[in-house]
Amino acid sequence: EAQVTQNPRYLITVTGKKLTVTCSQNMNHEYMSWYRQDPGLGLRQIYYSMNVEVTDKGDVPEGYKVSRKEKRNFPLILESPSPNQTSLYFCASSLKGVGNTIYFGEGSWLTVV
Amino acid sequence: AQSVTQPDIHITVSEGASLELRCNYSYGATPYLFWYVQSPGQGLQLLLKYFSGDTLVQGIKGFEAEFKRSQSSFNLRKPSVHWSDAAEYFCAVGDPDYGQNFVFGPGTRLSVLP
Repeated sequence: EAQVTQNPRYLITVTGKKLTVTCSQNMNHEYMSWYRQDPGLGLRQIYYSMNVEVTDKGDVPEGYKVSRKEKRNFPLILESPSPNQTSLYFCASSLKGVGNTIYFGEGSWLTVV
Repeated sequence: AQSVTQPDIHITVSEGASLELRCNYSYGATPYLFWYVQSPGQGLQLLLKYFSGDTLVQGIKGFEAEFKRSQSSFNLRKPSVHWSDAAEYFCAVGDPDYGQNFVFGPGTRLSVLP
């Protein structure tokens, strides 16, 4: 079954404690992306990757890092989380090319206290 | 840069009634347009998309949307709403020159009354 898998699904953490949200897809997709969803703002792109070792900033990259060492994985790293990073995070992937369907993970609820 | 507005934050309709969710975009040329649905606790699922051609596009679950260039709109419609349609709906705009990255609207939450 085609899947984008995120972990953890739910996390409460404290300010400044580094955390990583993993994302893995089993569809051999070149394109992967991270979004955050906040009430009234929709989804905003954090980072994206067009292929292995190729990453670029989205609209709201501050406070986040990503890496793309393997095609299937695209972890999101919060080096020093702050309360304003409390949000619902989505990972997404697709084949290269605008016409291809983007598949979303189920989301990761992150609370920073 | 492109932008997307969804004027209605929350809409409530009765089951069996018709539905129209509004989406307006700002973009210099003809963008790629999408509607996604997010059910509670779930990720986003693509309902339909428009790239070119016929301005009325059909999607899954009985939804359709119409692209109107003169109004910069891409409204989503369904003739008869089912209780299972209660969800959040997002309009998104893709720019062919911007690769695969979308701009999402803020979303419209749909509630369905029995």
